[in-house]
Amino acid sequence: NAGVTQTPKFRVLKTGQSMTLLCAQDMNHEYMYWYRQDPGMGLRLIHYSVGEGTTAKGEVPDGYNVSRLKKQNFLLGLESAAPSQTSVYFCALGQSQETQYFGPGTRLLVL
Amino acid sequence: DQQVKQNSPSLSVQEGRISILNCDYTNSMFDYFLWYKKYPAEGPTFLISISSIKDKNEDGRFTVFLNKSAKHLSLHIVPSQPGDSAVYFCAASVGNDMRFGAGTRLTVKP
Repeated sequence: NAGVTQTPKFRVLKTGQSMTLLCAQDMNHEYMYWYRQDPGMGLRLIHYSVGEGTTAKGEVPDGYNVSRLKKQNFLLGLESAAPSQTSVYFCALGQSQETQYFGPGTRLLVL
Repeated sequence: DQQVKQNSPSLSVQEGRISILNCDYTNSMFDYFLWYKKYPAEGPTFLISISSIKDKNEDGRFTVFLNKSAKHLSLHIVPSQPGDSAVYFCAASVGNDMRFGAGTRLTVKP
């Protein structure tokens, strides 16, 4: 996971609260992704970015927003957290659709 | 809809023997396939990949086989080692759309 950091590592939220997850890279990759991992479902793509200033929706984008103001950072926001958003969130980056490098994950619990 | 499926949640193998992990997909548009390995409390780590124009790719102890007509891929690990014990995810992509299977937990017993 070298070169990809995620902040925070763990967070507990109450329903309706907001928060932002930060993914930072020092590998100079263009593509950045946010996934969530839930038991029995593998990883699902929430949003992704193909470069600074661009974002796009993935498989499960509802309830999340993202921003990529700087190439090194990709932010994932939850405006009004719901218990269904309890999950482990992984950031990933890469140079194309191919091999992706994953961060260590953020564990989020929404009560 | 789950476009990538790993039907075996777990697999146990003796050290030194072959491990075979399987994956099926439904979307014929996928053109790139990958395997990732994941240890607890860590992010997935890339293991090996294969393009849809190939049917086999080998890297050391790891070989991935792709059968496009059956929409099936498999990962062979030979010989299996205790350090290979982890959860293995297969993934398939087209463009920026990457879909993952639910994972198979491999346990390699000494």
